[in-house]
Amino acid sequence: GAVVSQHPSRVICKSGTSVKIECRSLDFQATTMFWYRQFPKQSLMLMATSNEGSKATYEQGVEKDKFLINHASLTLSTLTVTSAHPEDSSFYICSATGGGQDTQYFGPGTRLTVL
Amino acid sequence: QKEVEQNSGPLSVPEGAIASLNCTYSDRGSQSFFWYRQYSGKSPELIMSIYSNGDKEDGRFTAQLNKASQYVSLLIRDSQPSDSATYLCAVDRGSTLGRLYFGRGTQLTVWP
Repeated sequence: GAVVSQHPSRVICKSGTSVKIECRSLDFQATTMFWYRQFPKQSLMLMATSNEGSKATYEQGVEKDKFLINHASLTLSTLTVTSAHPEDSSFYICSATGGGQDTQYFGPGTRLTVL
Repeated sequence: QKEVEQNSGPLSVPEGAIASLNCTYSDRGSQSFFWYRQYSGKSPELIMSIYSNGDKEDGRFTAQLNKASQYVSLLIRDSQPSDSATYLCAVDRGSTLGRLYFGRGTQLTVWP
């Protein structure tokens, strides 16, 4: 299967700071990337859909000014959590699709803890 | 009504038994259905995809789809302790390729 990486795998930050998470497709061109958030014992909740070279589409209830998404190339998307607060602490996971396929390949996730 | 519902579990089966996981969905327009496995603290990994009514087999796994009943299931034959994980059912949202609804997952434990 295709390989998707995320960096960092774990981050701890102070309340009010911004955190950037990178998602890379390593062996294919990802025309679309997705960002999910998962709270403990909950399911994955789609936050936004990102297409290379265009603005991300955010799901209802997700603040686009707080969760900035950039998909500058076919192999890289970034999620920046701005002015992070403790309630933003969660497991953030990206996924990618490409080549007209709808199968999503997930990155390993980033555990964010905001103190 | 939630978009994707799964039997909440937890489900516990002995090694070698068949584990049966169920999922119902609400959007009749959905065309793509997936089962993912998620180990604790890890991201999901794809087990199977299914698009047509009927059964699809891959090794010890069989996915079953019934669009009329809006029902998807996953059978795991000869269950192994390494199959112990949370299984997530995912259904496409239609309008955009790859946008998925996920169920909350069913936790499966296979005991030796």
